[in-house]
Amino acid sequence: RKEVEQDPGPFNVPEGATVAFNCTYSNSASQSFFWYRQDCRKEPKLLMSVYSSGNEDGRFTAQLNRASQYISLLIRDSKLSDSATYLCVVTRGGAQKLVFGQGTRLTINP
Amino acid sequence: GAVVSQHPSWVICKSGTSVKIECRSLDFQATTMFWYRQFPKQSLMLMATSNEGSKATYEQGVEKDKFLINHASLTLSTLTVTSAHPEDSSFYICSAAGGNSPLHFGNGTRLTVT
Repeated sequence: RKEVEQDPGPFNVPEGATVAFNCTYSNSASQSFFWYRQDCRKEPKLLMSVYSSGNEDGRFTAQLNRASQYISLLIRDSKLSDSATYLCVVTRGGAQKLVFGQGTRLTINP
Repeated sequence: GAVVSQHPSWVICKSGTSVKIECRSLDFQATTMFWYRQFPKQSLMLMATSNEGSKATYEQGVEKDKFLINHASLTLSTLTVTSAHPEDSSFYICSAAGGNSPLHFGNGTRLTVT
């Protein structure tokens, strides 16, 4: 079983739609949680950190459920520029040692 | 601007040759650097953790004699893929951290071995 599991997609949604991604992690000792965004053939870029209390950054909302070891990302009013692969990331053995999920590919259609 | 610079961005080499990839922190001292590999449509897999002045710690299944890592200074780590073969073709990415600086990724190196 992978340490971080994501549905690889692809998800194709129309512009303006709301889309949600989920992720589960197996290591209950994981300390920090993130969503990264990766464009084709580029390095991953931090989208947002994820907290149990939930956090929002503009059109993006992230939520962590430690009991279920489940992380979510919600994108509202999706834009064409949101097309990318979204990576669920947890830390292992230290705050900077990142474990990446496979990524969920999202395409926003005009 | 980029705070972690990775070179080259892409390289094509013949089977059996060695390729060196550099990862530099531009405006902070990177006490720790991480090397990842990403095959098409797969996740980034951590290969090794490199601490300045000491030997790298390799993840299970990564051959340390094939993927040589050197972290001789606080701003530079190198990954050398020795005797590269087509199955080593991949996207290699470094990340660097140090002091109060958050983790930053290099722009990645796409290696193609023919």
